[in-house]
Amino acid sequence: DTAVSQTPKYLVTQMGNDKSIKCEQNLGHDTMYWYKQDSKKFLKIMFSYNNKELIINETVPNRFSPKSPDKAHLNLHINSLELGDSAVYFCASSLHHGLGEQYFGPGTRLTVT
Amino acid sequence: RKEVEQDPGPFNVPEGATVAFNCTYSNSASQSFFWYRQDCRKEPKLLMSVYSSGNEDGRFTAQLNRASQYISLLIRDSKLSDSATYLCVVNMAEYGNKLVFGAGTILRVKS
Repeated sequence: DTAVSQTPKYLVTQMGNDKSIKCEQNLGHDTMYWYKQDSKKFLKIMFSYNNKELIINETVPNRFSPKSPDKAHLNLHINSLELGDSAVYFCASSLHHGLGEQYFGPGTRLTVT
Repeated sequence: RKEVEQDPGPFNVPEGATVAFNCTYSNSASQSFFWYRQDCRKEPKLLMSVYSSGNEDGRFTAQLNRASQYISLLIRDSKLSDSATYLCVVNMAEYGNKLVFGAGTILRVKS
């Protein structure tokens, strides 16, 4: 029973394509997040949603659009992929917004060629 | 100045050694602090929260010095399984309660 799951685990695609990553949590948490970890291993928040409402929206290109159909799901759609989008994308959740105890999914390793 | 800074290491230590990691943060208004652990090609996992009075969990001790804006993690009696990257994390309450992660300190414990 995976607490936070993401699909796909690996994604290899060409520049200019559009792709989506899905995330689901079965912990009953109110808040979900998307993080990006680049090749230098910096982990940076991109978005957070609390009960389907967008709370944090960092300076992320508008090619990235999160969608939360319900509080257990937070998907990330990326349009017109660029080489610089190659990274590991982690989904996470916490019981309430702003808590430091966050549970991360296994990550989606995106490679743009 | 980066919001959260850590010595990247790597720290190469023998089994049984005691090792300490330090972390500094730039925003004096930050209220809560954490250490996460990330194994190679895996997701980060919470190791422990850091409280003002300092706290201990088995072989791990975390300390906070608000005046110096400094957090530390001490690992005693290192095990091979402690090999990982340790991430210092600060909750920026004034920025919507976002977590800011340091780049991590690599620990390698060798037999």
